[in-house]
Amino acid sequence: ETGVTQSPTHLIKTRGQQVTLRCSSQSGHNTVSWYQQALGQGPQFIFQYYREEENGRGNFPPRFSGLQFPNYSSELNVNALELDDSALYLCASSLHRGLGGTEAFFGQGTRLTVV
Amino acid sequence: SQQGEEDPQALSIQEGENATMNCSYKTSINNLQWYRQNSGRGLVHLILIRSNEREKHSGRLRVTLDTSKKSSSLLITASRAADTASYFCATDARAGGTSYGKLTFGQGTILTVHP
Repeated sequence: ETGVTQSPTHLIKTRGQQVTLRCSSQSGHNTVSWYQQALGQGPQFIFQYYREEENGRGNFPPRFSGLQFPNYSSELNVNALELDDSALYLCASSLHRGLGGTEAFFGQGTRLTVV
Repeated sequence: SQQGEEDPQALSIQEGENATMNCSYKTSINNLQWYRQNSGRGLVHLILIRSNEREKHSGRLRVTLDTSKKSSSLLITASRAADTASYFCATDARAGGTSYGKLTFGQGTILTVHP
């Protein structure tokens, strides 16, 4: 158990709808990152939040947005869902330490299916 | 885009044998990390090796890093059926000397350990 919890675990949405995924960080961690993992692929970085501000973004369109709250929990919002958004969405929490980086602790993911 | 490339894509061995997985990457890094994933669930952090380190051990795991060749290897000794999983390397790229923990994953190696 990493202490990172995600909800819901599974979700089915219709193309064009909007979805909100939630993540509760590990205690003491101030940084949350979101990843998308398509079937058979490695995770791809969506964006990261540090102290409630976006702190880096991958190659994802603006319809992917996020929030981080004062308790360091986070949300990932996806608007205008497309079939290709079907994937496992992973949240990772870490403690931002600057030089050298640090390990990330992942939640169990949310499996999103867009039909 | 995927920076790390794992080799082989799939590996099948008998219990008790050693398993070696390789990872190559393209850019300068702060650190390289290995993760394990069981059946499309969350990723479990195994080991982190920094760019100024050449080898690291953790239990039955041994990781090497060759920054001149931009490559790393993960060795699992005396494998067990419970080691069956997908293994990913992830690089934390150097960004102006600091790291904000954006991990770039490879496509993974599927390891199957037969009892």
